[in-house]
Amino acid sequence: QSVLTQPPSVSGAPGQRVTISCTGSSSNIGANFEVHWYQQLPGTAPKLLIYDNNNRPSGVPDRFSGSKSGTSASLAITGLQAEDEADYYCQSYDGSLSGVVFGGGTKLTVL
Amino acid sequence: QLQLQESGPGLVKPSETLSLLCTVSGGSIDSSSYYWGWIRQPPGKGLEWIGNIYYIGNTYYNPSLKSRITISVDTSKNQFSLKLNSATATDTAVYYCARWRRGTNHFDYWGQGTLVTVSS
Repeated sequence: QSVLTQPPSVSGAPGQRVTISCTGSSSNIGANFEVHWYQQLPGTAPKLLIYDNNNRPSGVPDRFSGSKSGTSASLAITGLQAEDEADYYCQSYDGSLSGVVFGGGTKLTVL
Repeated sequence: QLQLQESGPGLVKPSETLSLLCTVSGGSIDSSSYYWGWIRQPPGKGLEWIGNIYYIGNTYYNPSLKSRITISVDTSKNQFSLKLNSATATDTAVYYCARWRRGTNHFDYWGQGTLVTVSS
């Protein structure tokens, strides 16, 4: 079981908005460690999508946004496109474990 | 553009040592701004952090793997490596190397990954 909890799957129709949650605890997200999000397209390596809770690397469309509150974080995708179909992972740091922690991943299906 | 490339045997026998190398190009491994890390992903499953190393040799390991892993760095070759001993079938995974940004604690560049199968 992952230290950060994500829903196994979410889905949405093209053009819609979807959100993916990432729930942690007082030793990671709740301890004010940043949350980061990665997109993994089928058969490829993960790619940084959001860093430091809500920042986009150069080249990432502004349809992707992140937020954080308390012991949880969320990734929002607006104007859903077929190319967004992928697995999404949240990541933070855990002070009790003294290490990097990932969520279990969420598979996004574009209907 | 920074690139990372994993290399090593694709097949390892049970109880033997899994050894992988990551070669960094387009940037220097001895930058003070970054660590260098290993992450793995069993087939059909999620990501698991293995460990990170700083260019002067400081290491940080996943507590669940700490007893079996060694990560080292060779700044003269711009490479870092992973050794995981006493391999079992549960170590079968795609292994990724990646650059870890200090301070904000995220992986900003990833290698393409290499599949390692542990089987006799």
